[in-house]
Amino acid sequence: EADIYQTPRYLVIGTGKKITLECSQTMGHDKMYWYQQDPGMELHLIHYSYGVNSTEKGDLSSESTVSRIRTEHFPLTLESARPSHTSQYLCASSGTNTGELFFGEGSRLTVL
Amino acid sequence: AQKVTQAQTEISVVEKEDVTLDCVYETRDTTYYLFWYKQPPSGELVFLIRRNSFDEQNEISGRYSWNFQKSTSSFNFTITASQVVDSAVYFCALSEYNNNDMRFGAGTRLTVKP
Repeated sequence: EADIYQTPRYLVIGTGKKITLECSQTMGHDKMYWYQQDPGMELHLIHYSYGVNSTEKGDLSSESTVSRIRTEHFPLTLESARPSHTSQYLCASSGTNTGELFFGEGSRLTVL
Repeated sequence: AQKVTQAQTEISVVEKEDVTLDCVYETRDTTYYLFWYKQPPSGELVFLIRRNSFDEQNEISGRYSWNFQKSTSSFNFTITASQVVDSAVYFCALSEYNNNDMRFGAGTRLTVKP
């Protein structure tokens, strides 16, 4: 069973607010990822990290930022949320080049 | 660049029918990995299988089976005797050995009716 946790699970906020979505894993995985997904639709990679102090942008342009100060922690921040940011955000981690991704339960964000 | 295509957007079957979900991929790497994930209504993605590019053996796990054919760049997934609990969105994914990101297909929504 995967040990990767996301908080909050659900968040409804107003436009212009700053938010941080938390993601933590206890498996010691070096690689971590953030995907954005509209319900039941395609997953889009927005950020990834190969290890501490390593972060890269994914294919989908995103106004969010990430940090990787500790192996287990990979938070995603939106400085000023907008309705276009309404979506589900999925965090994942992987321990090897061949390995499958372990996903958290997701954070469903609604920006009013 | 790697790409995964799941041409079937939605499939609806009646319980106990067999159903095959198609997946076609593109990659320039000779070493790569293919995956299937299940996303039930609860939203969490669940890993089902990984296959590397050097192993074309088909695999069977209970009611699930996978057919990997490099000649057609396909990695199809068959559910035998489908059940209502199989209703979910299924994603095929590809990861290249020299590339650390995993690319997902658009997903196929499977509905199994009682």
